[in-house]
Amino acid sequence: DGGITQSPKYLFRKEGQNVTLSCEQNLNHDAMYWYRQDPGQGLRLIYYSHIVNDFQKGDIAEGYSVSREKKESFPLTVTSAQKNPTAFYLCASSGRGGTQETQYFGPGTRLLVL
Amino acid sequence: AQSVTQLGSHVSVSEGALVLLRCNYSSSVPPYLFWYVQYPNQGLQLLLKYTSAATLVKGINGFEAEFKKSETSFHLTKPSAHMSDAAEYFCAVIPAGGDGLTFGKGTHLIIQP
Repeated sequence: DGGITQSPKYLFRKEGQNVTLSCEQNLNHDAMYWYRQDPGQGLRLIYYSHIVNDFQKGDIAEGYSVSREKKESFPLTVTSAQKNPTAFYLCASSGRGGTQETQYFGPGTRLLVL
Repeated sequence: AQSVTQLGSHVSVSEGALVLLRCNYSSSVPPYLFWYVQYPNQGLQLLLKYTSAATLVKGINGFEAEFKKSETSFHLTKPSAHMSDAAEYFCAVIPAGGDGLTFGKGTHLIIQP
């Protein structure tokens, strides 16, 4: 079955620690996205990528970093500079990106701070 | 900047009653609009999307939405609510020339037995 997988389902971060969230898709999609969800706030765009080795900042990129070394993979690192990392993180992908494309979402990773 | 407003953070309806979830967008140019549903601790699932082909859009699970340019609205409706419809619903937009989705804050739909 084609789809988007995210791991782990739950992740715990200690103070000053960098953690990496995994996102993999086998839909042969070019575009991939990371969103952060906070209660009552909807989802906000962190980073997106249209092609391998290229990515763009979204609305709330500070304290986060990404890489796109393979078409299928778009990992997100939450750095120690992100002072309020507790949230639900959702990865999405679409065919080529752009205004008409439907974005398909993974099951999410919940990040908690110890 | 493009924005989306969802009126009502919580909506409660009786099983079998009409569901109406409100969404208004801010734009002088009709954008591409989406409705997504989220069940607890899960990702988002697309219900339907508007891409200017038709103003009345039918989606999955009996939901539909009507695009009204004069009211800058894209309200989601379902004639008869079912217990399984209880979830969080998000309206979202991709502005012209944009890429990532801009989401409303969501509406939690509660179904009363």
